Amino acid sequence: DSGVTQTPKHLITATGQRVTLRCSPRSGDLSVYWYQQSLDQGLQFLIQYYNGEERAKGNILERFSAQQFPDLHSELNLSSLELGDSALYFCASSPGTSDTEAFFGQGTRLTVV
Amino acid sequence: GDSVTQMEGPVTLSEEAFLTINCTYTATGYPSLFWYVQYPGEGLQLLLKATKADDKGSNKGFEATYRKETTSFHLEKGSVQVSDSAVYFCASRFDTGGFKTIFGAGTRLFVKA
Repeated sequence: DSGVTQTPKHLITATGQRVTLRCSPRSGDLSVYWYQQSLDQGLQFLIQYYNGEERAKGNILERFSAQQFPDLHSELNLSSLELGDSALYFCASSPGTSDTEAFFGQGTRLTVV
Repeated sequence: GDSVTQMEGPVTLSEEAFLTINCTYTATGYPSLFWYVQYPGEGLQLLLKATKADDKGSNKGFEATYRKETTSFHLEKGSVQVSDSAVYFCASRFDTGGFKTIFGAGTRLFVKA
């Protein structure tokens, strides 16, 4: 158990809908990272938050947004969902700003039908 | 642009066989290099890393050496076990005003008893 908790584990939704994925980091970790793992794109870094502020941005679509709350949990919002958004979404956390020693959650599997 | 290329899988080996998973990178500078492992149903875990040329990362019997001249970071293990069955990801990262991590496509390893 990495200490990073993601909910829900599985999510099935229709095209055009909006979903929210939640991540609770390990106790004491200030950074949260979001990644998307899909069959065609592989594993891609989406975005990082550090202590409530956006720190780094990767290949995140404009339809996607994220935030980190004062209690340090984070949410990834995916809107106007398309079939191609079906993927495994991972959250990771680390104490500082580097993801080198980040611990990953077990992921949320999103299926868009 | 920057990229990471690793050998396609799956790789199937017998227990105690020698493992090599090739990884090469393209980059405009000198990134840090990583190998991550993903066991079934789990998130990624950092396996080893190297931050500069000729560095050797090692962990759990796995090794990889940062070769600047061949832009490679091949993963090796002298004697694999069934428990090493997983997906292995090579990654590069630049720490420039935040960071940008690029992952390879992943190589699935099956080890037979």
